[in-house]
Amino acid sequence: EPEVTQTPSHQVTQMGQEVILRCVPISNHLYFYWYRQILGQKVEFLVSFYNNEISEKSEIFDDQFSVERPDGSNFTLKIRSTKLEDSAMYFCASRGGQARGTEAFFGQGTRLTVV
Amino acid sequence: LAKTTQPISMDSYEGQEVNITCSHNNIATNDYITWYQQFPSQGPRFIIQGYKTKVTNEVASLFIPADRKSSTLSLPRVSLSDTAVYYCLVGDLDSGGYQKVTFGTGTKLQVIP
Repeated sequence: EPEVTQTPSHQVTQMGQEVILRCVPISNHLYFYWYRQILGQKVEFLVSFYNNEISEKSEIFDDQFSVERPDGSNFTLKIRSTKLEDSAMYFCASRGGQARGTEAFFGQGTRLTVV
Repeated sequence: LAKTTQPISMDSYEGQEVNITCSHNNIATNDYITWYQQFPSQGPRFIIQGYKTKVTNEVASLFIPADRKSSTLSLPRVSLSDTAVYYCLVGDLDSGGYQKVTFGTGTKLQVIP
């Protein structure tokens, strides 16, 4: 079964450092998403990406965040200057198309710990 | 976007059928209802999706009454491995509204031996 792959599984970084979280969506999927989940809290939408540009973003996704699809397979989330409150699980998801019934597939997540 | 309300937690014995109901009183005409399952430290996993009446797949059934203001996820004969958090999402796939919602608190299902 095709799956969304995220690397690394766990990243520890110092406050103020830049981090890049990587995702390989399912091949031939068109829509890509990042979500985060702070420990014990809800899964929160960050951003959606389609046709090489951001289609939607939440208020959480401020100027410290950016996304990129540098090649045909990877989808990255960059946090420029990490803060303690950025510590969370970050999930990447991809979806095949806009047709109804095309559910999003989630990766296993990257646990980001900012110290 | 339609707000959803689910029970915070449920307990069930192994082998029993579990029904989790989600209320979505302000569901819009184009909205679909989707359920996800999440295990600790893992990404959400799609379970089932529907628009009206009943949908069944190999994992679960989804019952949606005519007014669509609620929906019930039915898990037949649960096992210990079904212990997880179950999320109900409501949104319109075509506009992308479904995908930008926050998941909500979900229902934490604990299956007891």
